[in-house]
Amino acid sequence: DVKVTQSSRYLVKRTGEKVFLECVQDMDHENMFWYRQDPGLGLRLIYFSYDVKMKEKGDIPEGYSVSREKKERFSLILESASTNQTSMYLCASTWGPANTEAFFGQGTRLTVV
Amino acid sequence: GNSVTQMEGPVTLSEEAFLTINCTYTATGYPSLFWYVQYPGEGLQLLLKATKADDKGSNKGFEATYRKETTSFHLEKGSVQVSDSAVYFCGSKGETSGSRLTFGEGTQLTVNP
Repeated sequence: DVKVTQSSRYLVKRTGEKVFLECVQDMDHENMFWYRQDPGLGLRLIYFSYDVKMKEKGDIPEGYSVSREKKERFSLILESASTNQTSMYLCASTWGPANTEAFFGQGTRLTVV
Repeated sequence: GNSVTQMEGPVTLSEEAFLTINCTYTATGYPSLFWYVQYPGEGLQLLLKATKADDKGSNKGFEATYRKETTSFHLEKGSVQVSDSAVYFCGSKGETSGSRLTFGEGTQLTVNP
């Protein structure tokens, strides 16, 4: 079974802290994605990566950065956490071809206080 | 870029009722289309997909047909069950391997006994 693992299920951080959310997949997928899920807004794409060290901005990249040093790991970084970044964060990965399904992690519920 | 619009939710039905959740997309080219489901407390999982015009995806009694002429991919089920209660997301992925995967707003379905 494909597995996408997010490092934390729940996280509480203080305003201004630098926060790292980690995502690891075990199936050699080329593409990886970070989303945030908010009530009424659905899933919004923050960043995605189609290869090691490659990244593309999604729809809401402001306040975030990403790192992909190894194929299996895709990190989301909140440079200086703010309360409006309190959300559920979801990581996903897919094979290279466009028509393949995405596999999702369980999500990280981040609260910034 | 690609985008997806879902019908406004939430949707509440009685058991054995007919379900339709509308989804329309905008895209350049020929995206692949997906429906994902998120059960309470879980990550998203693929429900069905279609990769070209007139394809019909089906799974667990759910169906959706890729309609290029109306740019739609509506989800239907003839007789819903209480266990179908979940959030449903329509998704679109471009035809090249490095394309973004985008989702609609999600539709909360509640099925009452």
